[in-house]
Amino acid sequence: QQQVKQSPQSLIVQKGGIPIINCAYENTAFDYFPWYQQFPGKGPALLIAIRPDVSEKKEGRFTISFNKSAKQFSLHIMDSQPGDSATYFCAARGTGGFKTIFGAGTRLFVKA
Amino acid sequence: DAGVIQSPRHEVTEMGQEVTLRCKPISGHDYLFWYRQTMMRGLELLIYFNNNVPIDDSGMPEDRFSAKMPNASFSTLKIQPSEPRDSAVYFCASSSPGSVSFGNTIYFGEGSWLTVV
Repeated sequence: QQQVKQSPQSLIVQKGGIPIINCAYENTAFDYFPWYQQFPGKGPALLIAIRPDVSEKKEGRFTISFNKSAKQFSLHIMDSQPGDSATYFCAARGTGGFKTIFGAGTRLFVKA
Repeated sequence: DAGVIQSPRHEVTEMGQEVTLRCKPISGHDYLFWYRQTMMRGLELLIYFNNNVPIDDSGMPEDRFSAKMPNASFSTLKIQPSEPRDSAVYFCASSSPGSVSFGNTIYFGEGSWLTVV
């Protein structure tokens, strides 16, 4: 079922570092690309999202870069903090409906 | 708003038993999703409903799984008979269509942790 490939599976960075999580998709019939953040014992929650007609979106320390021709998008976390330690999921929503497919997730650990 | 409410939060059951997971979506949301999370497969979409009607159940792993939404405020996911490989966290989520210019936010419950022994 997975049509969104996410990497890396896990990531460890020092505080202040810039972790980058990458996702790629094959189906061109996606119209919305959100990222979700999940803390242990909780459900995922929307972090930031982008539409394919935009190449970059920034909200606070979180930035999505989107490359439509390559069918790739990535999440950058500037000045990462220990509180950013969580699992991050990229996702893609199909056009004409609300079927949202998630990547496999990236477990991020930010060392203090 | 109370958010998406799931029950039970934790369930341990023996192989072969029937398991029923329950969900109350956010009031006013007309989309409801059931996802399953495992370490191996990540977050998988099992089925989703729009206005109580199942739209896509292609992610339901096999006939042992069934989902219903009898009204706008309640949905169930049933596994009968359960097997150890069904052990996972099952999330219910809900959403509204969102604005024309942007997308929709999916609001997840806190999950039902299922262990089948």
